[in-house]
Amino acid sequence: DQQVKQNSPSLSVQEGRISILNCDYTNSMFDYFLWYKKYPAEGPTFLISISSIKDKNEDGRFTVFLNKSAKHLSLHIVPSQPGDSAVYFCAASGREDDKIIFGKGTRLHILP
Amino acid sequence: DVKVTQSSRYLVKRTGEKVFLECVQDMDHENMFWYRQDPGLGLRLIYFSYDVKMKEKGDIPEGYSVSREKKERFSLILESASTNQTSMYLCASSSGIYSYNEQFFGPGTRLTVL
Repeated sequence: DQQVKQNSPSLSVQEGRISILNCDYTNSMFDYFLWYKKYPAEGPTFLISISSIKDKNEDGRFTVFLNKSAKHLSLHIVPSQPGDSAVYFCAASGREDDKIIFGKGTRLHILP
Repeated sequence: DVKVTQSSRYLVKRTGEKVFLECVQDMDHENMFWYRQDPGLGLRLIYFSYDVKMKEKGDIPEGYSVSREKKERFSLILESASTNQTSMYLCASSSGIYSYNEQFFGPGTRLTVL
């Protein structure tokens, strides 16, 4: 049973436009959410996170929005740049958990 | 700057061989993890460890074992490699007691089992 779902395997966005990556979760006990970015032949790197006590967290061009009632979060990248082309993993954890659960990832292509 | 290194970037083994994947981190992190990444399946946790000589099963531990004799080193062992263990293996480490603390990943080992 997939607890963290990224339903779009891939997404193409024009350079300079907004990229929106979506993530849904099923476990209402999750209270911390993270986004990781992965380039080919490299390990994932942490991008941004959000606690369930917030509904928005911003870091430069990256903003994560959390809608707890819908069990949905999204990552916005504005403006999108060529270097943003990568696979993005959504992840979640509960405070009492001993691990985080990753989604399957969304491959983002930034078009010139 | 946190560094997580993995012993090999690419590895080719034969079915039935015993395979060792080594991971070393240099930031004195308590927690270490082994994942595998497969197309369409994302990152799946194999084993993790919160302390020396401690290990916990992740979501897909079957066919794998681990060893953590020193804090900085976490080894993944495939006792008898099979073709369905062909995958990208990623090691990670983190500090602190919370599972959601940032994990730092190594570059990965692409293992092919023939």
